[in-house]
Amino acid sequence: KNEVEQSPQNLTAQEGEFITINCSYSVGISALHWLQQHPGGGIVSLFMLSSGKKKHGRLIATINIQEKHSSLHITASHPRDSAVYICAVLYNTDKLIFGTGTRLQVFP
Amino acid sequence: NAGVTQTPKFRILKIGQSMTLQCTQDMNHNYMYWYRQDPGMGLKLIYYSVGAGITDKGEVPNGYNVSRSTTEDFPLRLELAAPSQTSVYFCASSYVQGLFPSTDTQYFGPGTRLTVL
Repeated sequence: KNEVEQSPQNLTAQEGEFITINCSYSVGISALHWLQQHPGGGIVSLFMLSSGKKKHGRLIATINIQEKHSSLHITASHPRDSAVYICAVLYNTDKLIFGTGTRLQVFP
Repeated sequence: NAGVTQTPKFRILKIGQSMTLQCTQDMNHNYMYWYRQDPGMGLKLIYYSVGAGITDKGEVPNGYNVSRSTTEDFPLRLELAAPSQTSVYFCASSYVQGLFPSTDTQYFGPGTRLTVL
């Protein structure tokens, strides 16, 4: 069993829809990252959070440490949001454990 | 700033050949990382470095070597290429202060797609 599980694996949406991507982990962590991998392969860090909620533009990330769960929300989705979204957790050491990603496609 | 740059972008190797994947960052970051990404799998850490002259193994170091002679450069060496090393390789860097590394944002390079035949 992977230490970091993401759901769904694939997600399609119409432009304007509210999107939720989930991340569950099985180990105690000190931080969680959300990353975006563009269709061309480049990876960009979106959020790092250790508690509560963070917002950046149309993106909102939440984490519940007790339930070992995090969500990434995209409001008013747009085709340019189409990408793979990756959850990664840090536990015990200074190395990240990555989920396998959620592939999002937003259609006009 | 160019950020994190990687060369080459693509490479095809024959079994047993050697090559070096180059990674350079111009952000004066102290930490640098090498990851590999296989289809359908999460990124796996190969090696990392906390500063010039200091490197350590990650989750999947076998078949690879690294060095960190300067703050800017962190090359990854494949000595005897094997088909199992076919993957996309990402270099990343971060500036770490304080007691908890990797709570800071990691900046990724564009990746190197390597095929071993």
